[in-house]
Amino acid sequence: QVQLVQSGAEVKKPGASVKVSCKTSGFTFTGSYFHWVRQAPGQGLEWMGIIRSRGDMTYAQGFQGRVSMTRDSSTRTVYMQLSSLRSEDTAVYYCVRDAGHWDFGHWGQGTLVTVSS
Amino acid sequence: QSALTQPPSASGSPGQSVTISCTGTSSDVGGHNLVSWYQQHPGKAPELMIYEVSKRPSGVPDRFSGSKSGNTASLTVSGLQAEDEANYYCSSFAGSSIWVFGGGTKLTVL
Repeated sequence: QVQLVQSGAEVKKPGASVKVSCKTSGFTFTGSYFHWVRQAPGQGLEWMGIIRSRGDMTYAQGFQGRVSMTRDSSTRTVYMQLSSLRSEDTAVYYCVRDAGHWDFGHWGQGTLVTVSS
Repeated sequence: QSALTQPPSASGSPGQSVTISCTGTSSDVGGHNLVSWYQQHPGKAPELMIYEVSKRPSGVPDRFSGSKSGNTASLTVSGLQAEDEANYYCSSFAGSSIWVFGGGTKLTVL
């Protein structure tokens, strides 16, 4: 079955960077698109960007210049790096696979990133 | 890109039907038949309930249905059950490889 397993929780200081990984199985990796979505404590979902099957990306306007999404077909892993962290970046970050319908079909378990001095 | 507009809360008694709205613009909800809905229980990852406005993934009960009129999409939950109590989010493709979410609706089963 489809599985997306994300890396563990992180605690970072303001100004630092964080890199979250998402290891996948159960489907054809090379043809899949992946999104990253985050959710601040008690808040709603926020779309961050997409990395397509050929490795090209589109980022949400609010993250441009601070976010980088990459993928490694040899290990079936997707990565999201966010830099210049601030307290408002404290959130659960989700890796999500498009199920083929321009949707958010399959979700990772989420990775809590806490930014605190 | 602005978030889609959802009511913050909705409620209904067991067995009743509840409809949650999701209002966007002609650039997102009104411009594409690519609206989807997600259910999220506390402490869990969201789960896809409806895609392409009205289609259900396998395993989702047919009590969940979706529709769209103009710039507003709707999710209807019929025959409410206790386990339907959760937060619900809509999402839409907004063109130019951009997606947008609604602010979420907390559904309470009375």
